[in-house]
Amino acid sequence: AQKITQTQPGMFVQEKEAVTLDCTYDTSDQSYGLFWYKQPSSGEMIFLIYQGSYDEQNATEGRYSLNFQKARKSANLVISASQLGDSAMYFCAMRDWMDSSYKLIFGSGTRLLVRP
Amino acid sequence: NAGVTQTPKFQVLKTGQSMTLQCAQDMNHNSMYWYRQDPGMGLRLIYYSASEGTTDKGEVPNGYNVSRLNKREFSLRLESAAPSQTSVYFCASSLGGASYEQYFGPGTRLTVT
Repeated sequence: AQKITQTQPGMFVQEKEAVTLDCTYDTSDQSYGLFWYKQPSSGEMIFLIYQGSYDEQNATEGRYSLNFQKARKSANLVISASQLGDSAMYFCAMRDWMDSSYKLIFGSGTRLLVRP
Repeated sequence: NAGVTQTPKFQVLKTGQSMTLQCAQDMNHNSMYWYRQDPGMGLRLIYYSASEGTTDKGEVPNGYNVSRLNKREFSLRLESAAPSQTSVYFCASSLGGASYEQYFGPGTRLTVT
């Protein structure tokens, strides 16, 4: 069965510094996809970044990058130049195919607090 | 362009009452989903609809039913609410295909007393 593990329940980072949020995954599939979502205190889920298992380069979206290490089965999110608005819960998720669609399997999340 | 909308935002039910959570998307997406989020946990899939006219069970379907009313709307019904169904419920939609992200609604916070 597929599984996502996020081992950091909470983290602090100083404003303007970079931070890495850890995510490891377990799957026997050769083709898979990994997502990161942000959930601010207001509660909505915001898509940040996607990495496909066959993508040769690490995904980047603005200040977000995904450090994808296939052999180690890790997909860490790197946020550069942290801002106060980055304070939120962050969830790593994996795509799990179901016939003609897919569901997301989520980790338990990491709460990030950015200090001024 | 509203994206994914959910109603209501908050609801309190007594054990045994029924209710329907509504979800609509205006992005012409094929697939729609219902997740629940319990404290300290990630989201878990309740039901999904890969395309209009189809629905299937997810990880935690017991106590719920769904209806894909049309391409835009996907409702979740609790027939007889239980305290274990106290949770935040998210509706999501996606275009379909492996690399497309799921877009989430703002969530419904449900408390069953």
